[in-house]
Amino acid sequence: AQSVTQLDSHVSVSEGTPVLLRCNYSSSYSPSLFWYVQHPNKGLQLLLKYTSAATLVKGINGFEAEFKKSETSFHLTKPSAHMSDAAEYFCVVSGGGASKIIFGSGTRLSIRP
Amino acid sequence: DTAVSQTPKYLVTQMGNDKSIKCEQNLGHDTMYWYKQDSKKFLKIMFSYNNKELIINETVPNRFSPKSPDKAHLNLHINSLELGDSAVYFCASSPQGGIRNTEAFFGQGTRLTVV
Repeated sequence: AQSVTQLDSHVSVSEGTPVLLRCNYSSSYSPSLFWYVQHPNKGLQLLLKYTSAATLVKGINGFEAEFKKSETSFHLTKPSAHMSDAAEYFCVVSGGGASKIIFGSGTRLSIRP
Repeated sequence: DTAVSQTPKYLVTQMGNDKSIKCEQNLGHDTMYWYKQDSKKFLKIMFSYNNKELIINETVPNRFSPKSPDKAHLNLHINSLELGDSAVYFCASSPQGGIRNTEAFFGQGTRLTVV
């Protein structure tokens, strides 16, 4: 069975400061992990993905995430937040032949001027 | 060219009506999905089809009936609409569902409002 837990429902940071969005996963198999972003009233866009290659994954818009198997974590980071980063972020796990792609509950990122 | 397209984008209808949402993907993917996003933004899988065959049906009321005429299309028909069906419905596709290295590509969503 697979599951994913996003530890914060809402994160607020000041523009120009670092962003950390936390995600822990549970999987019986070696998982594939993803981060998606959803801007208000928009669809879902892939930010980055981990698929068993490098554990530090770089994505679009300056985001990156590190896969830590010992901690079963896949936290999303960005060194310096921009106002346009304000959105809902979803951590996602897939794999295991179950034809399932499982979403976390989402983290709303707010950016203060 | 839109990879995964859904129609309509917005749908407002009365309780008790029957409505359909259409989804098409031009990526050549084998697997398609329907997700429901509730008012708290939680995304829950409803159905998954692989090559026109139903793979996942996640305890969805039988008022919801997916139909896949070919592997590029997965439509969602909803009978006897209820207020609780109001949500955003997302269609998605992936090369092979549940297999490593395959992210899903999402449509823009259909906002369904039942009044």
